[in-house]
Amino acid sequence: GAGVSQSPRYKVAKRGQDVALRCDPISGHVSLFWYQQALGQGPEFLTYFQNEAQLDKSGLPSDRFFAERPEGSVSTLKIQRTQQEDSAVYLCASSRTISGNTIYFGEGSWLTVV
Amino acid sequence: AQSVTQLGSHVSVSEGALVLLRCNYSSSVPPYLFWYVQYPNQGLQLLLKYTSAATLVKGINGFEAEFKKSETSFHLTKPSAHMSDAAEYFCAVSDPSGSARQLTFGSGTQLTVLP
Repeated sequence: GAGVSQSPRYKVAKRGQDVALRCDPISGHVSLFWYQQALGQGPEFLTYFQNEAQLDKSGLPSDRFFAERPEGSVSTLKIQRTQQEDSAVYLCASSRTISGNTIYFGEGSWLTVV
Repeated sequence: AQSVTQLGSHVSVSEGALVLLRCNYSSSVPPYLFWYVQYPNQGLQLLLKYTSAATLVKGINGFEAEFKKSETSFHLTKPSAHMSDAAEYFCAVSDPSGSARQLTFGSGTQLTVLP
């Protein structure tokens, strides 16, 4: 695709509900990143995929967060038993190569937990 | 470990005035440095990047930044502000020796342009 596409753009979840956020990276991009951006803050790294391999998940805040990219293209970030502190914008980004230094961001999925 | 400090969470300038957004970094290795812009309800758009070539980097929309190793700084400037420049700006650093190229961001500077 022309850019990184994320869905849903907006999600309101009740506390305790599970949510799944989808990312379609730019076609052919090897590297895929997830970031979490709390209100008024800069994005913070969550996890990184190289093709289908999740090489770094050091930024995932708890074991309620899970990400996958089974075929090396589309990725899903899943949050189980959502809490109010999970409310944030979840940004997906991709880059063309493993060492690519230009990372392209999607518009984000805005999650509000009530 | 790497970190970024953006001095001034809010900056206001008059239309036509100089824009200066400050960024200082901390890195144990020579870093790659980036400036991103974020408009309301949108994702991040790359303005410019420093990747160890020329220390003065020109980006889109008339912005430029200068890498100063001695000052560990990468300040963003634009000679003449336009109303359309109002947005949030993020400085970011990555480790070029790492395999993932993940970015570490500052907390952002909200730029307001006054008519």
